[in-house]
Amino acid sequence: ETGVTQSPTHLIKTRGQQVTLRCSSQSGHNTVSWYQQALGQGPQFIFQYYREEENGRGNFPPRFSGLQFPNYSSELNVNALELDDSALYLCASRLAGGPYEQYFGPGTRLTVT
Amino acid sequence: ELKVEQNPLFLSMQEGKNYTIYCNYSTTSDRLYWYRQDPGKSLESLFVLLSNGAVKQEGRLMASLDTKARLSTLHITAAVHDLSATYFCAVDIRAGGTSYGKLTFGQGTILTVHP
Repeated sequence: ETGVTQSPTHLIKTRGQQVTLRCSSQSGHNTVSWYQQALGQGPQFIFQYYREEENGRGNFPPRFSGLQFPNYSSELNVNALELDDSALYLCASRLAGGPYEQYFGPGTRLTVT
Repeated sequence: ELKVEQNPLFLSMQEGKNYTIYCNYSTTSDRLYWYRQDPGKSLESLFVLLSNGAVKQEGRLMASLDTKARLSTLHITAAVHDLSATYFCAVDIRAGGTSYGKLTFGQGTILTVHP
């Protein structure tokens, strides 16, 4: 157990819809990163939030957005879903300036039909 | 753009044998991670390597880092079936400002250990 939780576990959406995924970080972890893992591939960095501000972004379009809240929870929002958005979405938390390890949550499996 | 390449991508091993997974990366970094992933599951942290020459061992797995060669290795000793999983290396670079945490992952190595 890493102390990082995600909800929901599984989700099925239709192309064009919007989705919100949630992550609860370890207490005190002020940095959260989101990753997308397509089937058979390594995770890809979407973005990172530090103290409620976006702090770095990967090669993902603006329809991927996020929020981080003072209670160490965060959200990943995806608008105008496309079939290629089907993937496992992982969040990872760490303490900036602290131990270097990132702690991954169990993931949300998103299927877009 | 940082590229991380693992080889082999598929590894079928007999129990009791030794083998090495290689992870090459294209940009200077002194932070490298190894993860294990079981089917349908999240990532389990195996090793964090933070400096040139770092070597860490846990059970039948040993990881090392050569930052000058931009190479990390994951060595498996006397493989057992329970080690069957997908193994990822990931390189850590600054995401923005002064914060690390933007991991770039390799493609993964699917390890199957059979009797």
